[in-house]
Amino acid sequence: AQSVAQPEDQVNVAEGNPLTVKCTYSVSGNPYLFWYVQYPNRGLQFLLKYITGDNLVKGSYGFEAEFNKSQTSFHLKKPSALVSDSALYFCAVRDTGNTGKLIFGQGTTLQVKP
Amino acid sequence: DTEVTQTPKHLVMGMTNKKSLKCEQHMGHRAMYWYKQKAKKPPELMFVYSYEKLSINESVPSRFSPECPNSSLLNLHLHALQPEDSALYLCASSQTGYNEQFFGPGTRLTVL
Repeated sequence: AQSVAQPEDQVNVAEGNPLTVKCTYSVSGNPYLFWYVQYPNRGLQFLLKYITGDNLVKGSYGFEAEFNKSQTSFHLKKPSALVSDSALYFCAVRDTGNTGKLIFGQGTTLQVKP
Repeated sequence: DTEVTQTPKHLVMGMTNKKSLKCEQHMGHRAMYWYKQKAKKPPELMFVYSYEKLSINESVPSRFSPECPNSSLLNLHLHALQPEDSALYLCASSQTGYNEQFFGPGTRLTVL
């Protein structure tokens, strides 16, 4: 069965420092991987995806993610964090079949302090 | 237009009421989804519509009844809900089941 793990409930980083939010996955076949961000009392916003191709994927708001097949990881990164990046981040993998069902990780709260 | 809209933003209902949630997208997406989300938890999939046909029902209780009147519109009819059904209900759409999903802002539902 497909699964996603986000090992950290919370990540704290100082503004201006690089940030990493970790995600590992377990899939049968090739993974379709996604990152979403959720601000308080809002819906989820799509940040980026990996389907195939270059292992470094660039997304919205300066975020990028690195796909590592050998480590089955898809960590989200940003070179310089902003206070406004503080939010809840979800990693997801598409389930098998063509239903579009996403398997979400438990989420990681990112806190960026001034 | 790259937006998914949901109405109402907030809804308070008693356990004997009947109400409906509405979701609309004009991106030409052919897959639409209903999720339920509790605070600080990941969204839980409830239903998937693909090309206006119900393709997934994640064993959701019959007090939730989805409807897809056309390719742009998705409704969720609510009847005889329980207090534990209080949550944020999110709608999403995608080009197909292989593409990223775009989420609406959600309806905050409180069942008294």
